[in-house]
Amino acid sequence: DTAVSQTPKYLVTQMGNDKSIKCEQNLGHDTMYWYKQDSKKFLKIMFSYNNKELIINETVPNRFSPKSPDKAHLNLHINSLELGDSAVYFCASSQAQANTIYFGEGSWLTVV
Amino acid sequence: GEDVEQSLFLSVREGDSSVINCTYTDSSSTYLYWYKQEPGAGLQLLTYIFSNMDMKQDQRLTVLLNKKDKHLSLRIADTQTGDSAIYFCAESHEEGTYKYIFGTGTRLKVLA
Repeated sequence: DTAVSQTPKYLVTQMGNDKSIKCEQNLGHDTMYWYKQDSKKFLKIMFSYNNKELIINETVPNRFSPKSPDKAHLNLHINSLELGDSAVYFCASSQAQANTIYFGEGSWLTVV
Repeated sequence: GEDVEQSLFLSVREGDSSVINCTYTDSSSTYLYWYKQEPGAGLQLLTYIFSNMDMKQDQRLTVLLNKKDKHLSLRIADTQTGDSAIYFCAESHEEGTYKYIFGTGTRLKVLA
C-alpha cells in the first residue's frame, strides 16, 4: 500500500484555469505538508497542517489554498494558474514525535 | 536565517566511494536527513541522524555529523549506477512548526 499518495501524477493545463491536487496518507500521521520543487530542483515548503490546523504558511500567492478535510488528507487548490506555477508539487506527512517526513511521488504540473 | 547548502554536482566511477557534503546554519537543528530523488520520481528517505550522534552506518551508507562545523556528509561505499540520483540534505527542529529545510540537492552521476 502506498503510504503517501497524490493525484494526479501529471497535469497539463492552460493559464487561467483552476486545478486541484489531492493527497492522502495512510500512515496515521498528524502532520501533512505541501512542498514545491522548481525547475532547478529547489524544494520549498508551502504549507503544513497539524491535526487539520494550518501551522506553516510560507510566502505563497493566495491563489494557492490548501484544504484539510481530515488528518489523512491535504488537498492543494490553485486558482488562476500562471506559467510560473509549473513545477513538481510534493505532498508529505510526518508524525510529530517521530519527526521523519515521508513524501508522495510528486505531481508534475505544467501550465501552458 | 536557516540555510542548507550542498554542492550541485558529483561524478564518480562505479565501485568507488561517493561523499556528498552538506552544511547548515541553524545550530538548533535536531534531526538531519538524507533523501534520494531518482529521475522523474519522488523523494525517498535514505537515512537520518539525530544531532547528538556523530556517525550512523546503514549498509553501504555512512552519515557523518560534525555539529561544531555544522557539516553533514553522506558516504556511499561501492557506488553503483543505480545510485545515480539527486541527493538532498535536510534539517528540522524538534520544537516549533516542524519545518524541514532542504538543501539545493547534489546530482550524483555514476560512470560505468
